[in-house]
Amino acid sequence: EAQVTQNPRYLITVTGKKLTVTCSQNMNHEYMSWYRQDPGLGLRQIYYSMNVEVTDKGDVPEGYKVSRKEKRNFPLILESPSPNQTSLYFCASRPRADNTEAFFGQGTRLTVV
Amino acid sequence: GENVEQHPSTLSVQEGDSAVIKCTYSDSASNYFPWYKQELGKRPQLIIDIRSNVGEKKDQRIAVTLNKTAKHFSLHITETQPEDSAVYFCAALPFTGGGNKLTFGTGTQLKVEL
Repeated sequence: EAQVTQNPRYLITVTGKKLTVTCSQNMNHEYMSWYRQDPGLGLRQIYYSMNVEVTDKGDVPEGYKVSRKEKRNFPLILESPSPNQTSLYFCASRPRADNTEAFFGQGTRLTVV
Repeated sequence: GENVEQHPSTLSVQEGDSAVIKCTYSDSASNYFPWYKQELGKRPQLIIDIRSNVGEKKDQRIAVTLNKTAKHFSLHITETQPEDSAVYFCAALPFTGGGNKLTFGTGTQLKVEL
């Protein structure tokens, strides 16, 4: 089954404790991105990757890191999480960077206390 | 960069009525306009999209219209049903060869009442 898989689905952590949210797609998509969803703010892009080893900042990159060592995986790293990073996170992939459908993962609900 | 505004933020309709959600965008380079539906606790999923060379597109009870001159596009849902209750997001994508960021509106919570 074609899908985008995120883990974990739910995570509660403490301020400053490094964490990684994994994202994997099995559709051979070139383009992958991370979004955070906050009430009243919609979906805002954190980082994106146009292909292996090619990543760039989105609209809200502060406090996040990403890597794209393999085409299928695009982990989101929070080196020192803070309470303002409490949010719902979605990974998404598209076949290419142009006007094609984005497929979303199931979401990760992160709470930083 | 692109800025997408979406209205209304909440919309309540009676079952069987029509619902209309409107979006405006700022970047004239945008040429792809998808609409996503997000049910409670679920991921956003594409329901319909339109490209800039088309003015209107229909798929059963949903339709999208695009006015490139005015830079606005709308989602129309006819004969609404309770299962249409969800958050709907519009988005715009400029194909500029770099970044190609899909920018979302802030969402519309649609409630279909029995």
